[in-house]
Amino acid sequence: QVQLKESGPGLVQPSQTLSLTCTVSGFSLMDYSVHWVRQPPGKGLEWMGRMKYDGDTYYNSALKSRLSISRDTSKSQVFLKMNSLQTEDTAIYYCTRGGSYRFDYWGQGVMVTVSS
Amino acid sequence: DVVMTQTPVSLPVSLGGQASISCRSSQSLVHSNGNTYLHWYLQKPGQSPQLLIYRVSNRFSGVPDRFSGSGSGTDFTLKISRVEPEDLGDYYCLQSTHFPYTFGAGTKLELK
Repeated sequence: QVQLKESGPGLVQPSQTLSLTCTVSGFSLMDYSVHWVRQPPGKGLEWMGRMKYDGDTYYNSALKSRLSISRDTSKSQVFLKMNSLQTEDTAIYYCTRGGSYRFDYWGQGVMVTVSS
Repeated sequence: DVVMTQTPVSLPVSLGGQASISCRSSQSLVHSNGNTYLHWYLQKPGQSPQLLIYRVSNRFSGVPDRFSGSGSGTDFTLKISRVEPEDLGDYYCLQSTHFPYTFGAGTKLELK
């Protein structure tokens, strides 16, 4: 069955770089896109960017200067890197499968706290 | 960016009752290919969002027919009939017609 699982550090220091991995199973990264969405505690959802099935990337302009998404298809993994983290980047980070312009399956999310 | 205005913010309901959530976009969500990419999600407490309705009115696999979506252009509605306890949580609309994709701010469905 389709599964996505995020992994990464739970705590990042201010000004440092966040690195997250989304490991997928049950589908191929060459057939479906993977998107990253985040949710600050008690707040709503923000779309961050996507890795398309053909390797193309697209980022939310609000984060574009700090964000990079890449993948390793042989390992079924999509990576998120975001630099210059601040406290307002504290959030649950989700990866989700995109197909036909919708997000149909989501990972459980990983909580990232930015604090010294 | 497309702004998604979702109302109400909070919606008290009785079990067995009906709920209606509105989502309005700051520009038309009709894609150049003719499709309208407006979707609805439910996020239960402590869980990831789950897809309920895609492309305005299509129920995702396993979603009960108590959930229905309608609308066009810039004005969309999610209706829930015969509300059950497992329907409680935060509802979000999402537009994926225009980059960046944007979500509504959410509607909390709670017991009256």
